[in-house]
Amino acid sequence: GQSLEQPSEVTAVEGAIVQINCTYQTSGFYGLSWYQQHDGGAPTFLSYNALDGLEETGRFSSFLSRSDSYGYLLLQELQMKDSASYFCAVPHGGNTPLVFGKGTRLSVIA
Amino acid sequence: GAGVSQSPSNKVTEKGKDVELRCDPISGHTALYWYRQRLGQGLEFLIYFQGNSAPDKSGLPSDRFSAERTGESVSTLTIQRTQQEDSAVYLCASSLLIRTGGSYEQYFGPGTRLTVT
Repeated sequence: GQSLEQPSEVTAVEGAIVQINCTYQTSGFYGLSWYQQHDGGAPTFLSYNALDGLEETGRFSSFLSRSDSYGYLLLQELQMKDSASYFCAVPHGGNTPLVFGKGTRLSVIA
Repeated sequence: GAGVSQSPSNKVTEKGKDVELRCDPISGHTALYWYRQRLGQGLEFLIYFQGNSAPDKSGLPSDRFSAERTGESVSTLTIQRTQQEDSAVYLCASSLLIRTGGSYEQYFGPGTRLTVT
């Protein structure tokens, strides 16, 4: 089966950089996705890594190391609106849908 | 364009009653997923529809749960004889054609908050 581990909570200062780590165990690996969810809201897609390395999209970047079964989400120039839960996810079995980690609650403070 | 919509947004029901939750996916999205999210937890896969293929029901927690999808449009998730542990937010998502090994972006609806009293 699939399982993912990520920190439950992270706190960071506005304007700073924060990294949210995710380690996974999968029977077959196809890619690692990241989703953001604000309180009371729906998850929204942030990024997907199928290959090793760093993918950058504006202030957000995502990294994958398949040999280490590890990835992270990097948020730069933190803003208060970035306070949310962040989930890493991998495909379920040999196909999507997704198995999600339990989420990391990010609190951005002034 | 319209996103994924779900109804009702909130549902309070008594233990033992049946409930139906509805999902309208984005037009043209062939894949549709149901997830459950308990308070403060991650998303738990329930069931997956892809085109005309047989649905993947491997995530359904018990035979009280079932879902249907009409073609590539509306889906309903039915929970029979609801129990208090069924209380959660039920999220529906849709995406474009899924290829093995692919992970196209999933678009989520706002969810239905189910409370079983």
